[in-house]
Amino acid sequence: KAGVTQTPRYLIKTRGQQVTLSCSPISGHRSVSWYQQTPGQGLQFLFEYFSETQRNKGNFPGRFSGRQFSNSRSEMNVSTLELGDSALYLCASSLAANQETQYFGPGTRLLVL
Amino acid sequence: GESVGLHLPTLSVQEGDNSIINCAYSNSASDYFIWYKQESGKGPQFIIDIRSNMDKRQGQRVTVLLNKTVKHLSLQIAATQPGDSAVYFCAENGGSYIPTFGRGTSLIVHP
Repeated sequence: KAGVTQTPRYLIKTRGQQVTLSCSPISGHRSVSWYQQTPGQGLQFLFEYFSETQRNKGNFPGRFSGRQFSNSRSEMNVSTLELGDSALYLCASSLAANQETQYFGPGTRLLVL
Repeated sequence: GESVGLHLPTLSVQEGDNSIINCAYSNSASDYFIWYKQESGKGPQFIIDIRSNMDKRQGQRVTVLLNKTVKHLSLQIAATQPGDSAVYFCAENGGSYIPTFGRGTSLIVHP
């Protein structure tokens, strides 16, 4: 069974631009969570989606948003990029909502110049 | 707010030695703990978990110990191999199903 896939793997943007990242969960998994990983803050929870509905949200500004499609694929969007948004963005999937065991993708490394 | 932290940012061991990675947590309501391994260029990989009603759990070459009295978690890796070199994270879940991750310990295994 294929693992969690994320596209693109690497991305360079400039301040003020917006970006959309994509995540395809493991087949059969219906919950997708997004995390931001930086050297300074470590891994921080962004949001979780299940059945196309956002179930939980972390402490990030409204510039960070996401959505989930009927096939469980998910996208996250960051608008008006700031230098501090440079990070590794990780997607994790699980069978259902509120599942403690999550499987992570390789991440999208975003660099904001 | 609550936090999860690691005592040692870097641990260097010789191949074949046993490794112990420590983690302190502060949320007394946490009832589920997870260890992840993250290799360079990859996402975190689940290693082992433990619930608060246990104090020890063993996997293949790994053992997790939980001391609720002092809110301490440790990961023991037996016969450490070069392939074990990675960053190890502990995470705790206080029932919200949103894990809180520690900052990570870099394990370096010398052949």
